[in-house]
Amino acid sequence: AQRVTQPEKLLSVFKGAPVELKCNYSYSGSPELFWYVQYSRQRLQLLLRHISRESIKGFTADLNKGETSFHLKKPFAQEEDSAMYYCALTGNTGKLIFGQGTTLQVKP
Amino acid sequence: GAGVSQSPSNKVTEKGKDVELRCDPISGHTALYWYRQSLGQGLEFLIYFQGNSAPDKSGLPSDRFSAERTGGSVSTLTIQRTQQEDSAVYLCASSNDRTARYYGYTFGSGTRLTVV
Repeated sequence: AQRVTQPEKLLSVFKGAPVELKCNYSYSGSPELFWYVQYSRQRLQLLLRHISRESIKGFTADLNKGETSFHLKKPFAQEEDSAMYYCALTGNTGKLIFGQGTTLQVKP
Repeated sequence: GAGVSQSPSNKVTEKGKDVELRCDPISGHTALYWYRQSLGQGLEFLIYFQGNSAPDKSGLPSDRFSAERTGGSVSTLTIQRTQQEDSAVYLCASSNDRTARYYGYTFGSGTRLTVV
């Protein structure tokens, strides 16, 4: 079955602390992995894509095929990082399958 | 247009009434997707259009839900005989490649539907 699991509904950290948002997936094939972010009162937007190996706003994500994980990391959290984060995958059909989302709360 | 446009932004309706939600994708985007976002449920896939046809409508929760797309552009999601459990934010997205495999989607700001 195709599935994306984000085990934490809420992650609360202090400003300057490291952040890791967990994402595990189940897919029979070679998926492409994404992280989307939704800031308060804004639309859902793409944060980063595995295929581009990019770092956006200090966030990175490494695909671990052995553990079927795509955790999102940032070494020093900022208050403006507070948002809802969704991990997602696509296969050959292009349909994005999303996880349940994790709310990141960065406290001052 | 410059982005994916959805209307109305908010809709309050009485239980049992029909509602229509509209999505205007980015010009030239061939693929269009509808998702539902509700508390505790994450983002739930509803239906996918490639052009005017819907090769995947597996996420429509019941036969009260239907969607169409005309002219390879605007799409309408219709919910008949609305129920309180239909209350959610309905998101539309579009993409400019056939599979969105590499570029993901661009989302609209959604329609918040409240059934009272």
